[in-house]
Amino acid sequence: EVQLVESGGGLVQPGGSLRLSCAASGFTFSGYTMNWVRQAPGKGLEWISYISSSSGTIYYADSLKGRFTISRDNAKNSLYLQMNSLRAEDTAVYYCARDRENGWFDPWGQGTLVTVSS
Amino acid sequence: QLVLTQSPSASASLGASVKLTCTLSTGHSSYAIAWHQQQSEKGPRYLMKLNSDGSHSKGDGIPDRFSGSSSGAERYLTISSLQSEDEADYYCQTWGTGIRVFGGGTKLTVL
Repeated sequence: EVQLVESGGGLVQPGGSLRLSCAASGFTFSGYTMNWVRQAPGKGLEWISYISSSSGTIYYADSLKGRFTISRDNAKNSLYLQMNSLRAEDTAVYYCARDRENGWFDPWGQGTLVTVSS
Repeated sequence: QLVLTQSPSASASLGASVKLTCTLSTGHSSYAIAWHQQQSEKGPRYLMKLNSDGSHSKGDGIPDRFSGSSSGAERYLTISSLQSEDEADYYCQTWGTGIRVFGGGTKLTVL
């Protein structure tokens, strides 16, 4: 079964940092582009970042302004999101998702909640 | 700019059919999209990829009640024989080089 499991969320103070992880199983992780997507409470989905299978190509949403860094470890079948200088507006559920044919997302993880608050 | 527009809400009765719409921005009418379903308190679930010619490929286990169609810049998701578990948020999504875009989502209420 293809599965993505996020972890690393929690409560962090404004200005703090957090590293999210996404563990992949059931498919050849090294062969797929991966993404991070977030959803603020009561809001819609927002794409954050994309990393190609070899980490050679990385894209970010313009709104992040360089505060987030995506990475992966194909040997560990894991995707990461390093989040720095966190703000209240970064409070959201963060999902990892596999990219299909350089386009759509399938499947999705169950998400991990990040709360930025003092 | 690549933008997807969805109506915020829709409703239909149990057992009926409903057609949700996703509109591509000007100049992007040839783009394919994907439909995703998000039930309450759950992660999104891929439903189908929908091409500009109306052809579509569904995800594993997606019932035949879900179908897609296209007309110009509009992409549609039709759900027939509505069931209570179809009450959810539905998002369309598209892509380009270096970008992934979501519509604002449509909240479907099954009456």
